[in-house]
Amino acid sequence: GQQVMQIPQYQHVQEGEDFTTYCNSSTTLSNIQWYKQRPGGHPVFLIQLVKSGEVKKQKRLTFQFGEAKKNSSLHITATQTTDVGTYFCAGPLDSNYQLIWGAGTKLIIKP
Amino acid sequence: DTEVTQTPKHLVMGMTNKKSLKCEQHMGHRAMYWYKQKAKKPPELMFVYSYEKLSINESVPSRFSPECPNSSLLNLHLHALQPEDSALYLCASEDRGPGELFFGEGSRLTVL
Repeated sequence: GQQVMQIPQYQHVQEGEDFTTYCNSSTTLSNIQWYKQRPGGHPVFLIQLVKSGEVKKQKRLTFQFGEAKKNSSLHITATQTTDVGTYFCAGPLDSNYQLIWGAGTKLIIKP
Repeated sequence: DTEVTQTPKHLVMGMTNKKSLKCEQHMGHRAMYWYKQKAKKPPELMFVYSYEKLSINESVPSRFSPECPNSSLLNLHLHALQPEDSALYLCASEDRGPGELFFGEGSRLTVL
């Protein structure tokens, strides 16, 4: 069945360093969404990418959707403590449009 | 602040208890969802209501019973749960799919 793989599972960075998480789908996606979940919190929608090769920026966050619409990435420049949390990608199933979620990447800022 | 409100925030129940989780949204969204999330895992879809009708039931055990009294409300009735059902239960709403999901803060359930 359709799968969305997300790596890495964890990323430890010093504050000010960059962070990147990657998602790969087993099939072409009509769109991909990104969510952030703070520790103890709930998922919060960040963005949806729809077009092949699309790149969108939100301040220090850059989101990309691959040309084949099978992969996506989220890059954070110069991480801050407020960036801490788990970042999930999610793409819709072909059959019923419900989201398949990646496993998430947890961003940890080293003390 | 979330526009999807869930109550209670925390719930502890025994395996013989009956309890309910409640969710409310006033954004006029057409679809409402129940997700279950275990620690360090992504949300796992349980049920979807579209226009107040159950459209998806992801093979959830019958000890979980959803109800959608109207377009703004979603309940999850719990009965005879097992300790492994302890998790964060998230409600979400969506205007039109596949689009942005608005999550509530969740109900953290502990089954003793």
